[in-house]
Amino acid sequence: KAGVTQTPRYLIKTRGQQVTLSCSPISGHRSVSWYQQTPGQGLQFLFEYFSETQRNKGNFPGRFSGRQFSNSRSEMNVSTLELGDSALYLCASSPGGGVYNEQFFGPGTRLTVL
Amino acid sequence: AQKITQTQPGMFVQEKEAVTLDCTYDTSDPSYGLFWYKQPSSGEMIFLIYQGSYDQQNATEGRYSLNFQKARKSANLVISASQLGDSAMYFCAMREQGKAAGNKLTFGGGTRVLVKP
Repeated sequence: KAGVTQTPRYLIKTRGQQVTLSCSPISGHRSVSWYQQTPGQGLQFLFEYFSETQRNKGNFPGRFSGRQFSNSRSEMNVSTLELGDSALYLCASSPGGGVYNEQFFGPGTRLTVL
Repeated sequence: AQKITQTQPGMFVQEKEAVTLDCTYDTSDPSYGLFWYKQPSSGEMIFLIYQGSYDQQNATEGRYSLNFQKARKSANLVISASQLGDSAMYFCAMREQGKAAGNKLTFGGGTRVLVKP
């Protein structure tokens, strides 16, 4: 069974640009969550999509948005990039409902904003 | 207030010895899950072990065991017989089962482990 894939793996952008990151979950998983990891703030939850609906959202500005498609693939978009958006962006997939949901993480997209 | 606290930013451990990584948490949700992840320098988060708040026994997975003390709100990870490949960052995380929580994980700041030969 294929794991979680994220594309691209590395990205360099300049301030003011926008970027779209993609995440393909494990087959059959309906939940995709996104996290931002920086040296200063650590790992922070961005949002979760479940069956194409945003189920939960972290404390990030509206420049961060996401969506999920009918095949459970998810994209996140960051508009008007700032230097502070440089981070490792991780997505995690999970089957969905139930008391115990192990989350399987992808390799991450490392975004550098110049 | 910090929901997950890992007080050891870094530690050295001798190969083949055991090491305990501390994690304390704070929640008012009676139902929650605690996770430990390993993150090598490559960046990928690798799931190690899980403990549910209602589990009576401490979780074990191979060389990993979780010392769960509910009253103290601690969930320490024990790695037995350390190997060089265990050198990595280790994160404790919590998932609360409350209505709006979904699959959101809250992470601690991590502990960097370096195994010495």
